[in-house]
Amino acid sequence: AQTVTQSQPEMSVQEAETVTLSCTYDTSESDYYLFWYKQPPSRQMILVIRQEAYKQQNATENRFSVNFQKAAKSFSLKISDSQLGDAAMYFCAINTGTASKLTFGTGTRLQVTL
Amino acid sequence: GAGVSQSPSNKVTEKGKDVELRCDPISGHTALYWYRQSLGQGLEFLIYFQGNSAPDKSGLPSDRFSAERTGGSVSTLTIQRTQQEDSAVYLCASSSNRLSSYNEQFFGPGTRLTVL
Repeated sequence: AQTVTQSQPEMSVQEAETVTLSCTYDTSESDYYLFWYKQPPSRQMILVIRQEAYKQQNATENRFSVNFQKAAKSFSLKISDSQLGDAAMYFCAINTGTASKLTFGTGTRLQVTL
Repeated sequence: GAGVSQSPSNKVTEKGKDVELRCDPISGHTALYWYRQSLGQGLEFLIYFQGNSAPDKSGLPSDRFSAERTGGSVSTLTIQRTQQEDSAVYLCASSSNRLSSYNEQFFGPGTRLTVL
């Protein structure tokens, strides 16, 4: 079984600043993928970024990047140059080689202030 | 092309009634998932359909919950004798890659179920 822990229920960042959302996970599988999803008030889950466990290089998507520490089972999300549209719930999730379902953390609500 | 659609968007029902929630996946996607999101919680896996294989029902919380997928496309999640603790947002997702654990799941907007 997999578990995902997000220890920050809420975070706040000023517009144009950088914020890091934390995520730790646990799995006995060697082959897995990690994801960050964004859920705005519309409820639509949107994939922000993904990381393959076998890749050492941290994934980057424009203003979003991850710090993947495999030994520590840590997968944090960094948002640079924060924008008002980044305000949402952010969920960390894992998907392993033996099951296709996603296991989610409890989420972090990100506020972006002027 | 169209994304994953779900209906109804919102459903209010009385305790003890049965409800059906519908999901239309992206055309051609072989995999379909149902998740439940209770207030302030993450998403909880319910059931997974992959092609013609037997569904993975390991996440269904009780025998009041069931789901079917007709013709490998549309899926219906049925909750019988609803209870107040069933109140949640029910999200459906679909994906196209059946062989890799990386299978980006595309989510629908969800159905908010309220049981009075």
